Amino acid sequence: EAGVVQSPRYKIIEKKQPVAFWCNPISGHNTLYWYLQNLGQGPELLIRYENEEAVDDSQLPKDRFSAERLKGVDSTLKIQPAELGDSAVYLCASSLGGQREQFFGPGTRLTVL
Amino acid sequence: QKEVEQNSGPLSVPEGAIASLNCTYSDRGSQSFFWYRQYSGKSPELIMFIYSNGDKEDGRFTAQLNKASQYVSLLIRDSQPSDSATYLCAVSNSGYALNFGKGTSLLVTP
Repeated sequence: EAGVVQSPRYKIIEKKQPVAFWCNPISGHNTLYWYLQNLGQGPELLIRYENEEAVDDSQLPKDRFSAERLKGVDSTLKIQPAELGDSAVYLCASSLGGQREQFFGPGTRLTVL
Repeated sequence: QKEVEQNSGPLSVPEGAIASLNCTYSDRGSQSFFWYRQYSGKSPELIMFIYSNGDKEDGRFTAQLNKASQYVSLLIRDSQPSDSATYLCAVSNSGYALNFGKGTSLLVTP
């Protein structure tokens, strides 16, 4: 069974530029999560989807971050414009429903210069 | 703020010994508890989960949960150098978003 797929794996951009991350969850997993992980910290939830509905986006900085999961499968997380403080690893995870174990993708390491 | 606390370490144990990793949490409504292993530069990998008080064993790993004390631990028996990594404790209320600790760095020395 294929795991969670994310792309790109690495991204370097100038501040104020836009950036987008893509995630394809494990087949059949209807719950998808985007987390942010800073160095030396545990992952922090940005947004959770149940199928195509964003059911928890309370921690998403909506002034610059947006996300979508149009067909309830893959998802895109966007930052526009990026700031220096956005440099981090962006992790996507999926699970079989909201009360099951979560499996993480390899992450996208973002560097904002 | 719902806290998950872990000693950052590093915890150093000799090869073949038992490594004991500990985690406390503040939210008494927490229902699901997870241990993830994260190698440097890699994403978290689920190694254990536990939902009920007591012990749960899987190979060399044992997770222990005490909800009354709000305490969860991970024991790694016969520790190997390949077990050297950061171990993240994660806690969930009603099984939704995971609240992670900062992780404990484990070093297994040959």
